[in-house]
Formats: sequence, C-alpha cells, structure tokens
Amino acid sequence: GESVGLHLPTLSVQEGDNSIINCAYSNSASDYFIWYKQESGKGPQFIIDIRSNMDKRQGQRVTVLLNKTVKHLSLQIAATQPGDSAVYFCAENINLETSGSRLTFGEGTQLTVNP
Amino acid sequence: KAGVTQTPRYLIKTRGQQVTLSCSPISGHRSVSWYQQTPGQGLQFLFEYFSETQRNKGNFPGRFSGRQFSNSRSEMNVSTLELGDSALYLCASSLETGDNSPLHFGNGTRLTVT
Repeated sequence: GESVGLHLPTLSVQEGDNSIINCAYSNSASDYFIWYKQESGKGPQFIIDIRSNMDKRQGQRVTVLLNKTVKHLSLQIAATQPGDSAVYFCAENINLETSGSRLTFGEGTQLTVNP
Repeated sequence: KAGVTQTPRYLIKTRGQQVTLSCSPISGHRSVSWYQQTPGQGLQFLFEYFSETQRNKGNFPGRFSGRQFSNSRSEMNVSTLELGDSALYLCASSLETGDNSPLHFGNGTRLTVT
C-alpha cells in the first residue's frame, strides 16, 4: 500500500545547530501535510502544516518545505534546543469530500539534541 | 482552552475481555479520530467520526468500534481483546472534516492486554 516513509530513524545534533528531518511520501493525491512532535509519554503535538498548493511555510524556528515533483517533505528546525529532543512524524492527508479524511503517518525520526 | 482529554490514561485487561476508551475533543471541534500506536506498526488510523456518523474507517477488524455523541465526545470499544491489541490509543480532534484543518491529539490511553 502507499505509505509515508522517513529517510533516517535517528538524528543527533549539537545544541544551537540547525536540524533537517526528511520525509518521502508516495501518494500524489495527498493535498495536506503535517509535522508532529511526540515526547515520551505524550501524544503527538502539532508543529506546522502545509497545503499542496504551497512549497514553503515558516513558523517559529521551524520551516516546512514541500517538493511535489519528487514527493519530498522536510522540516527544518533553527537553533535546535534540548527541548526539541523528541520523535518527529510527518503525516499526509487525503481529504475525501464524501468520506472524510485520514492521516497516514511516517515511521518517525528520533531527534536527539546534545548540549 | 482545554486540549483533547482521554480517559483512562492506563488500562490493564485480560485476553477475551472488552474495553471502552473515552475521548473529549477540544471545545468547538466536531470531528474526532482514533489512532493506534505500536512500536512495530507506528501510528495507524482506526476511524473518524463527525456529527455522530462514522466518516472513515481504517483496516482494523470488526472488534474495534466507536461512536460519537451529540456533544462530540467519542468512545471506542475493543471486544474480545487479544495480546496484539496492547498499544497506545490516541484520540484527535479537529474543527471539521475534510477541510485540511490540523488534528490535535490527546495524550492517549495505554492499554496492556495480558
């Protein structure tokens, strides 16, 4: 079946560095993409989203890039902090007007920030 | 504004039993979705409810069911529990359905089946 996959299961960075987490998706019908952060013992926390009619969106210290040509999504975190250590998931959404919507999640990337 | 609330936080059940999990969405959110999270399978979609109607269903057996009430609160039920049902069950809510609005998740119910 179609899936959203991540290139790296783990990423280790130094505090203050920029982090880039990548994601590949395979469903060309997906029109909405979301990045989530999940800390131990908690549910996924919404970070940023992007619609398929955009190729870049910026938030506070985060930027999401969407390349529809190669079906690639990335999350950039500027000046990474220890509090950014978590598992990051990308998710794609196919909205079906008649049957609602559902998220398909990637496998997750464990980001570790070293002080 | 309070977030998505799930109860209970932890549950231990025995094979063959049934379990009911509860979810209160963010105030004003009308769509509620359920996901199962396991180390082996990751996050998998169970079902979505909107206006008390199931709008979408994932690839889970009929032992997994749910419902939504008029106040948008939702419950999911798993009957005849199996060891493989041990997982973190996550509820998420959004304003509407099919409108590309972000899902906001609760902290889940950790179910252990022994």
